[in-house]
Amino acid sequence: NAGVTQTPKFQVLKTGQSMTLQCAQDMNHEYMSWYRQDPGMGLRLIHYSVGAGITDQGEVPNGYNVSRSTTEDFPLRLLSAAPSQTSVYFCASSYSGWGDTQYFGPGTRLTVL
Amino acid sequence: AQRVTQPEKLLSVFKGAPVELKCNYSYSGSPELFWYVQYSRQRLQLLLRHISRESIKGFTADLNKGETSFHLKKPFAQEEDSAMYYCALSSGSARQLTFGSGTQLTVLP
Repeated sequence: NAGVTQTPKFQVLKTGQSMTLQCAQDMNHEYMSWYRQDPGMGLRLIHYSVGAGITDQGEVPNGYNVSRSTTEDFPLRLLSAAPSQTSVYFCASSYSGWGDTQYFGPGTRLTVL
Repeated sequence: AQRVTQPEKLLSVFKGAPVELKCNYSYSGSPELFWYVQYSRQRLQLLLRHISRESIKGFTADLNKGETSFHLKKPFAQEEDSAMYYCALSSGSARQLTFGSGTQLTVLP
């Protein structure tokens, strides 16, 4: 099992550009989520999904969109990148939700100039 | 709203010394608490959870509902324990996992 995979590992964008961060898992997990990690602020939940076709907002959803067309994939879209979105982004999945072990991807380091 | 506080951003101890990473939470119901760890160049991974009441890599954590704390302890720190540690809280009502800001532990030789 590859577990949770994320691409790309690094990305530099200019303000206003859009891009999609990819996340995939091969563990047949229903729950998937996106976090951003900023110094001194820990991990903050952006969006999450409890199954294919079902998504919901987390703590900091503004400027991001998600979709969940399959169990395996949960892409995160930045619609118009801003410097405030410079961060490290982590995707996570779990079998049965928030009380279950979360499996994290390796992260994507995004810089917005 | 639920909140997790880790008061120490940085913590340094010498090898063989005891270590305690503090975690306090605010939540009115019955929380589920976790410690996650991120070693250098590795993924964030679960270290332990309070309902398991187990010891992982020599670490233990006891949920103290009176003090709303879930401190992580190890009697004799090792250099390989150097990592970023996150305390996290899960509650069904909030439908999310809330992380603290993390503590960077450095174990000195």
